Amino acid sequence: QVQLVQSGSELKKPGASVKVSCKASGYTFTSYAMNWVRQAPGQGLEWMGWINTNTGNPTYAQGFTGRFVFSLDTSVSTAYLQISSLKAEDTAVYYCAVSRILVKFDYWGQGTLVTVSS
Amino acid sequence: QSVLTQPPSASGTPGQRVTISCSGSSSNIGSNTVNWYQQLPGTAPKLLIYSNNQRPSGVPDRFSGSKSGTSASLAISGLQSEDEADYYCAAWDDSLDVVFGGGTKLTVL
Repeated sequence: QVQLVQSGSELKKPGASVKVSCKASGYTFTSYAMNWVRQAPGQGLEWMGWINTNTGNPTYAQGFTGRFVFSLDTSVSTAYLQISSLKAEDTAVYYCAVSRILVKFDYWGQGTLVTVSS
Repeated sequence: QSVLTQPPSASGTPGQRVTISCSGSSSNIGSNTVNWYQQLPGTAPKLLIYSNNQRPSGVPDRFSGSKSGTSASLAISGLQSEDEADYYCAAWDDSLDVVFGGGTKLTVL
């Protein structure tokens, strides 16, 4: 069965960087695109963008350019989200989710809480 | 402010039928399909409805979706206590982004 297992919670200071991982299993890694979705505390879902797992080409949603980087290590079926120059407003749960069709997020990781606080 | 508009809350008693609306525009719902996600408390979202009205394997037929023009709806019939969750609609927007509704918190009274 498809499983997406994300790395654990992170506590970071403003200005630092964080790298969240999402390890996939139960399917051929390149058969689904990988998406990232943010959920701030008590708020709704925001799509951050996606990365083509065949080519490694990332696409960032509006509002998620510059400090956000999607990457892959296909040898270990893992996707990464790196956020640099962290701000307090980056505090959120970050989810990875796979799709074959944009918007149809078939499976989700359990989420990674990133807390930015001095 | 979300691009898709949902009521912040909805409620019903066990066995009742509840509907949740999702309003958009010609650049999203009006020209693309709608998906719905269920987020149980403290868990990750789960795909509930795709392509306006299709259920993934394992989703009970108590859940149904529809779309008309620039609006969509999720209906839950035979409401159960375990349906208490947040529900989100989502669609592709022609500005090249996936857009979500703000979410509707469903309470089973």
